[in-house]
Amino acid sequence: AQSVTQPDIHITVSEGASLELRCNYSYGATPYLFWYVQSPGQGLQLLLKYFSGDTLVQGIKGFEAEFKRSQSSFNLRKPSVHWSDAAEYFCAVGAQTGANNLFFGTGTRLTVIP
Amino acid sequence: DADVTQTPRNRITKTGKRIMLECSQTKGHDRMYWYRQDPGLGLQLIYYSFDVKDINKGEISDGYSVSRQAQAKFSLSLESAIPNQTALYFCATSEGPGRVSTDTQYFGPGTRLTVL
Repeated sequence: AQSVTQPDIHITVSEGASLELRCNYSYGATPYLFWYVQSPGQGLQLLLKYFSGDTLVQGIKGFEAEFKRSQSSFNLRKPSVHWSDAAEYFCAVGAQTGANNLFFGTGTRLTVIP
Repeated sequence: DADVTQTPRNRITKTGKRIMLECSQTKGHDRMYWYRQDPGLGLQLIYYSFDVKDINKGEISDGYSVSRQAQAKFSLSLESAIPNQTALYFCATSEGPGRVSTDTQYFGPGTRLTVL
């Protein structure tokens, strides 16, 4: 069965520091992978997605993520965090068969301190 | 104006009451979705609709029903609300024509429902 694990419930970083949010997935075949961001009181917004090809994916707002098949990971990174990046971040994996659901991780809340 | 709107934004109700949550979109998308978000559990798919005549159950459809009144409108009903349906509910849309698992989904702001 498909599943997504985001090991860090809450991360605090200083503004200007680099960021890495971890995501591990469980899926029997090549997964479709997504990162979404949820700002307070808002719906989710897609940051980036990976279907195939180059394993380093660029997204919006300066984010990138790298697909590592050997580690079953799809970690999200940003070289320099801005205060406006404070939000909750969700990793998701898409199933290619069955009901073709999108399965979400439990989220990582990012706090940015001045 | 927002592309995906949800009404109400907040609702408090009592056990056993019938509740309807509404979603409207101006993106012109054929596909619409309802998700539930619980603290510490991420989002779970309740129902999805690929067009007005195509409605499908998601992971957690028990206790819920939906109605696709038009391309732009997709309503979620709780026929007899219970406390463990207290959650944040999101509507989403996508253009298709791919699978649910590959579509880029556009989310509404959410409805916070509390069942006492």
